[in-house]
Amino acid sequence: DAGVTQSPTHLIKTRGQHVTLRCSPISGHKSVSWYQQVLGQGPQFIFQYYEKEERGRGNFPDRFSARQFPNYSSELNVNALLLGDSALYLCASSLDRGRSGQPQHFGDGTRLSIL
Amino acid sequence: EDQVTQSPEALRLQEGESSSLNCSYTVSGLRGLFWYRQDPGKGPEFLFTLYSAGEEKEKERLKATLTKKESFLHITAPKPEDSATYLCAVHPTGNQFYFGTGTSLTVIP
Repeated sequence: DAGVTQSPTHLIKTRGQHVTLRCSPISGHKSVSWYQQVLGQGPQFIFQYYEKEERGRGNFPDRFSARQFPNYSSELNVNALLLGDSALYLCASSLDRGRSGQPQHFGDGTRLSIL
Repeated sequence: EDQVTQSPEALRLQEGESSSLNCSYTVSGLRGLFWYRQDPGKGPEFLFTLYSAGEEKEKERLKATLTKKESFLHITAPKPEDSATYLCAVHPTGNQFYFGTGTSLTVIP
């Protein structure tokens, strides 16, 4: 079975630009979460989507937005990129929105570099 | 405030030298505690879920245990291929997972 897939794997942008990252969850998983991981740190929660609705938001500015599509895939959008947005962006999927303590399964991420 | 602390930050072991990694947490209700392995340039790989104090899970050379305030990941007779960063995450009430900063494990042949 295919795991969580993310695209692109690497991306280089300049300050002020906009970026869209994409994620396809494991088949049958309805929840998608997005994380930012800076080198040497653990993943930081950005968003959770379940059944196409936002169910949770971390402490990130409004420049960050996301959506989930009817097929449960998801996009993360970041506007007005800053140097500090350089990081590995991870997508994770799980069966449900989390009430049963199901684990999240991660893709290999998109490495975003801002010049 | 929900918080996860992992120690040590880094650990170097000789092949076959057993040790333990620690994950301490303060959360408002615990739905689950999760251990992940992360290799360089890759996403975290799920290892274990623990739900209640006293629970233990095993997989090959790894064993995870849980108390009310902390979890341990015991590594028995590690091999070089066990070298990775091990992440602990907690899922309290709400929809957010909280991760620690990880323990970077290096196993020397």
